[in-house]
Amino acid sequence: GAGVSQSPRYKVAKRGQDVALRCDPISGHVSLFWYQQALGQGPEFLTYFQNEAQLDKSGLPSDRFFAERPEGSVSTLKIQRTQQEDSAVYLCASSVQGVANEKLFFGSGTQLSVL
Amino acid sequence: AQSVTQLGSHVSVSEGALVLLRCNYSSSVPPYLFWYVQYPNQGLQLLLKYTSAATLVKGINGFEAEFKKSETSFHLTKPSAHMSDAAEYFCAVSSMSGSEKLVFGKGTKLTVNP
Repeated sequence: GAGVSQSPRYKVAKRGQDVALRCDPISGHVSLFWYQQALGQGPEFLTYFQNEAQLDKSGLPSDRFFAERPEGSVSTLKIQRTQQEDSAVYLCASSVQGVANEKLFFGSGTQLSVL
Repeated sequence: AQSVTQLGSHVSVSEGALVLLRCNYSSSVPPYLFWYVQYPNQGLQLLLKYTSAATLVKGINGFEAEFKKSETSFHLTKPSAHMSDAAEYFCAVSSMSGSEKLVFGKGTKLTVNP
């Protein structure tokens, strides 16, 4: 596709439910990033893939958060047993190589509301 | 550890006036610095980036930023604001040491008044 696509656009979950958020990066982009953006805050790093390898997951807030990119393209961020503090916009970004000075292409995000 | 501070969560200017959005960074190694813009219901878009080639960086839509190492600053400016510049602006830093992840500031929401 022309850009980074995320689905669903909005997700409402009851506390304790599991959710799965999908990211389709730009075709051919090696690197994929997940960020969490709380209301009124800047994006915060969650995890990073280069192809199918998860090279950095230092930003995942708890073991309830899990991300995968099994074939080096589409990625899924899964949150188990959602809590109210998980409510945020989850942003996906991709880049050609993932080097530190490279431009990131962002999706529009998935807004998660946990009731 | 790296961090970014954006002074002023909201900035309001008149159309045609100077835009100045402030960003200060903290980094123990030479940084790469970025400004991203987020329009409502859209993803973040890169405005410009500093990668050590030149301290004055020109970006899209008439924006520019100057890297000042002595002040640890990377302020964003535009000589004349346009209504279409209304958006949220984020400053971000990454490290020349090879860390791929960006550390973002909290953002500045720019309002342009007619």
